[in-house]
Amino acid sequence: KNQVEQSPQSLIILEGKNCTLQCNYTVSPFSNLRWYKQDTGRGPVSLTIMTFSENTKSNGRYTATLDADTKQSSLHITASQLSDSASYICVVSPTNTNAGKSTFGDGTTLTVKP
Amino acid sequence: DTGVSQDPRHKITKRGQNVTFRCDPISEHNRLYWYRQTLGQGPEFLTYFQNEAQLEKSRLLSDRFSAERPKGSFSTLEIQRTEQGDSAMYLCASSLGGGGAYNEQFFGPGTRLTVL
Repeated sequence: KNQVEQSPQSLIILEGKNCTLQCNYTVSPFSNLRWYKQDTGRGPVSLTIMTFSENTKSNGRYTATLDADTKQSSLHITASQLSDSASYICVVSPTNTNAGKSTFGDGTTLTVKP
Repeated sequence: DTGVSQDPRHKITKRGQNVTFRCDPISEHNRLYWYRQTLGQGPEFLTYFQNEAQLEKSRLLSDRFSAERPKGSFSTLEIQRTEQGDSAMYLCASSLGGGGAYNEQFFGPGTRLTVL
C-alpha cells in the first residue's frame, strides 16, 4: 500500500529559528513529490515540487530535499516567521496523469511563537 | 481573482438533508479534483475530471455522493442524506493536466461542512 509518513506530527519553535520537517514514503514507482503549506481553514498552497532526479529545490526560506534511494524528503524552513505557522503536507505521485494515486501525508503542524 | 473558488465556504446542515457544493477552477485548467479533509489529516482523494469526463472515483465516494462537471468548467459535489461522518472540509483543486512532471494542483479555500 502506498503510504506517506510525516514527522513530527507537530512542532513548536521560536520566531527566527530554523526547523526541518520529514517525509518518508513508500510510493512506487515514483514520479514527483510536492510540499504544500496549509493555513488553518484554507486550502493547501504549493511550496515546492521535485521529480525523482532532483535533490533539492528552494523557494525563498523554504528548501526541500529529496533522496529517491531512501524514499525520504525534508522541508527546511530558515529564519522562521510567525506567518510560517501552518500545516505542511507532503504529497507523492507515482504517475503524472493519474490523480487518484497521489498520496497525501497527514501533515506536520508548525507553530512559530514570538 | 483568477484562483480556484468554492462556494459556500461554510455549510451547516441537519442529518438527512442534501447539500451541494460548487467549485470554479482556474479557467484554463482542464482537470478538476475533489478531496475531503478531516481535522489533523491530509486531504483524501474523492474524484477527478478531465474536462467534463469523470475519470476516477475513490472508494470513499459512496452512493450518496455525486459529482458533475457538465460543461467542463465549474463542478458540483452533492451529498445526499448527509450523515454526521460527512462533516469535513471539502477541497477542490484544478490543474492543467496533460502529463509532464509538473502537474501541479491549485487548491481552493474549501467548503467546511458541519452535519448536526
